[in-house]
Amino acid sequence: AQSVTQPDIHITVSEGASLELRCNYSYGATPYLFWYVQSPGQGLQLLLKYFSGDTLVQGIKGFEAEFKRSQSSFNLRKPSVHWSDAAEYFCAVGGLGSGGYQKVTFGTGTKLQVIP
Amino acid sequence: GAVVSQHPSRVICKSGTSVKIECRSLDFQATTMFWYRQFPKQSLMLMATSNEGSKATYEQGVEKDKFLINHASLTLSTLTVTSAHPEDSSFYICSATQREGMRETQYFGPGTRLLVL
Repeated sequence: AQSVTQPDIHITVSEGASLELRCNYSYGATPYLFWYVQSPGQGLQLLLKYFSGDTLVQGIKGFEAEFKRSQSSFNLRKPSVHWSDAAEYFCAVGGLGSGGYQKVTFGTGTKLQVIP
Repeated sequence: GAVVSQHPSRVICKSGTSVKIECRSLDFQATTMFWYRQFPKQSLMLMATSNEGSKATYEQGVEKDKFLINHASLTLSTLTVTSAHPEDSSFYICSATQREGMRETQYFGPGTRLLVL
């Protein structure tokens, strides 16, 4: 069964500092990996995704993530955090469900707080 | 592209009434839509998978007679919470999948906040 672990429940960074959010996954084959961001009371917005190819993936809002198969990780990074980045971030892994569709499993989320 | 809408965004109802939530993919056709429930400060819990023209597949522990799902077209799925009770109060989020060959990406709606009094 596929699973996702986000070991950090809550992270606080200063505005302008770099950011790395950790994500580890478990999946039997090559995974499809996603990062989503959720602002309070809102749905989820796709930041970036990895299907295959280049293991360093660029996303929206200046985010990037690197797929490391040897570490079963897909950490999200941003070189300089803005106050508007404060939100909850979910890592997700996709795999085939029993009906042939792609079933996505979400991590428990990391809440990012940005301080001035 | 890949915009998903949900309606209503917020609903308050009395206990015992039914509530219908709509999920629409606005600029793409989605063969599969998913319904999630999110409790405060928690991750998303998949409730069911909705495929156009067929019965929904419910996750273990989700009552199919309680949460009726209809996927009438490639751009519309509805979730009806029947005989709602206060414990059904939650944030309900739908997603629609956009297919790229054999790969699918889920795009999410903005969510519906349900409060049952």
